[in-house]
Amino acid sequence: GAGVSQSPSNKVTEKGKDVELRCDPISGHTALYWYRQSLGQGLEFLIYFQGNSAPDKSGLPSDRFSAERTGGSVSTLTIQRTQQEDSAVYLCASILEGAPGELFFGEGSRLTVL
Amino acid sequence: GEDVEQSLFLSVREGDSSVINCTYTDSSSTYLYWYKQEPGAGLQLLTYIFSNMDMKQDQRLTVLLNKKDKHLSLRIADTQTGDSAIYFCAEIPSSSASKIIFGSGTRLSIRP
Repeated sequence: GAGVSQSPSNKVTEKGKDVELRCDPISGHTALYWYRQSLGQGLEFLIYFQGNSAPDKSGLPSDRFSAERTGGSVSTLTIQRTQQEDSAVYLCASILEGAPGELFFGEGSRLTVL
Repeated sequence: GEDVEQSLFLSVREGDSSVINCTYTDSSSTYLYWYKQEPGAGLQLLTYIFSNMDMKQDQRLTVLLNKKDKHLSLRIADTQTGDSAIYFCAEIPSSSASKIIFGSGTRLSIRP
């Protein structure tokens, strides 16, 4: 597709369940970000992937959060044993190498933990 | 530390100018950005400015950068209803070229 695609767009889960959120970046974009947007909060950096380099995981809030990027393209963000405070919109963005800061965002996955 | 601050809300009358302000902490940031988020959508890059510039104008948008005070502003002339959105200021801190730091966003509402 032409843009960054995220799925599911909406996810409602029960506390304690695991969830997986998927991101398909723009073809040819070498770097990928995950951010979290909570109500009334700004964008919280979670993790950054760049090519074959080790990811920058410094923003992951706890060890219940993990992410991987397979084949330098699709990324999955996994949240284990979800808690109510995990409820947020999870945004993925990709970027072309050499264009710092010019992120292309998906529409996000809205996660609600009951 | 790394922090970007914005006021949360701004209300302007249609046709007036809107000025959205942002302060940042890293004086070594090379690029500073404004992103726009319309309801139910992801963020889109609106404009950016290099740190060696004081001003950048793009149609109805004017970006002003005061490096001494670490203050960035976005002025929207002749504000229209379609400008209703959340506007995010962002920087790339010198401490981490990979981490783009966003502010909390300013929700711009337009009144008739």
